[in-house]
Amino acid sequence: RKEVEQDPGPFNVPEGATVAFNCTYSNSASQSFFWYRQDCRKEPKLLMSVYSSGNEDGRFTAQLNRASQYISLLIRDSKLSDSATYLCVVLGSGTYKYIFGTGTRLKVLA
Amino acid sequence: DAGVTQSPTHLIKTRGQQVTLRCSPKSGHDTVSWYQQALGQGPQFIFQYYEEEERQRGNFPDRFSGHQFPNYSSELNVNALLLGDSALYLCASSLQGVFVGEQFFGPGTRLTVL
Repeated sequence: RKEVEQDPGPFNVPEGATVAFNCTYSNSASQSFFWYRQDCRKEPKLLMSVYSSGNEDGRFTAQLNRASQYISLLIRDSKLSDSATYLCVVLGSGTYKYIFGTGTRLKVLA
Repeated sequence: DAGVTQSPTHLIKTRGQQVTLRCSPKSGHDTVSWYQQALGQGPQFIFQYYEEEERQRGNFPDRFSGHQFPNYSSELNVNALLLGDSALYLCASSLQGVFVGEQFFGPGTRLTVL
């Protein structure tokens, strides 16, 4: 089983739609969780950290479910500019090793 | 404020050769991590350098080695190149002690091994 698993997609959604991605992780001792965004042939950029209580940044909402060992990302009112690959990242307790998922591709269609 | 820079941007090598990739961290950052990203995959952690020491290593063979200099810049060396080493190599910098996880990535070096 992979340490961090994501549905690779692609998710094709119309502009204005709401879309959600999930990511599961295998190490229950993991402590820190993040979503990164990566545009085609570009470097990953931090989208948001994921807190136990959940957090929101504009149209983006991230949730953590420790019991089921998954994190989620919800994007509301999708824009064409949201088209990208969304990478789930997990950092274990007492380690500096960041584990990335394979990413989920999102295409927002006009 | 300069971000993370990497050189070269592209590189073509043949099997068995050696390569050195370079990274300058974001101004004020003291920690550098290196990643390998194959096509269609997420970045894979190679190692992290802090205070000129390798403090964490991923599942990569000893052919992959690195160095961090007193000015915090870093090099990644790969010996005896294999076809499977073809990938985008990303450098990420962060500041020790600041909120964990906020890494800033450079644009990467695309390595092709023929």
